[in-house]
Amino acid sequence: NAGVTQTPKFQVLKTGQSMTLQCAQDMNHEYMSWYRQDPGMGLRLIHYSVGAGITDQGEVPNGYNVSRSTTEDFPLRLLSAAPSQTSVYFCASSYSSGGKENTEAFFGQGTRLTVV
Amino acid sequence: DQQVKQNSPSLSVQEGRISILNCDYTNSMFDYFLWYKKYPAEGPTFLISISSIKDKNEDGRFTVFLNKSAKHLSLHIVPSQPGDSAVYFCAAKEYGNKLVFGAGTILRVKS
Repeated sequence: NAGVTQTPKFQVLKTGQSMTLQCAQDMNHEYMSWYRQDPGMGLRLIHYSVGAGITDQGEVPNGYNVSRSTTEDFPLRLLSAAPSQTSVYFCASSYSSGGKENTEAFFGQGTRLTVV
Repeated sequence: DQQVKQNSPSLSVQEGRISILNCDYTNSMFDYFLWYKKYPAEGPTFLISISSIKDKNEDGRFTVFLNKSAKHLSLHIVPSQPGDSAVYFCAAKEYGNKLVFGAGTILRVKS
């Protein structure tokens, strides 16, 4: 049972380059999200999706794009990488909360991105 | 402004003793509170949660207490074990499944 799989685990980009961080889940979860973790700031929500074809912005969306064409996949695109995007990125998935208790999120292992 | 705050960046506890991690929040619309544990180079893993309509939830060595009037929750680990050494994140759930995280507390359990 793979859970939430993120690729790559590590990436170094030059300023201005673009790339896509991949996220896939095999639990048939409706809800998927991307967070970034920075020292002293916890995890901050970048974008999220409540189902295929539906995405919305989180707390820190600038410089990132997402799409959700299938239930399983939720890629995060960096359009033009900047040093401020150096961070650890986590993808998470969960069941939709409608009517359900305790919809804890399951996280991937993270992607450590450095922009030079 | 941070809606979820963990004011202690780190905590050191002797093995076998109680660890108490604290969390404060400002948004009274949060309906669930969760604690996540994170080891280095791994993603956060869910530990325990509590609904906003309850004041206590237990799961083995872990108990979470919620004081709604004070907008404060705490995680108690009894007894603490060296394997509990990790970063602990408090999180609060907004409408839908959006999670708002605190900055985390590093717990070190000394043997």
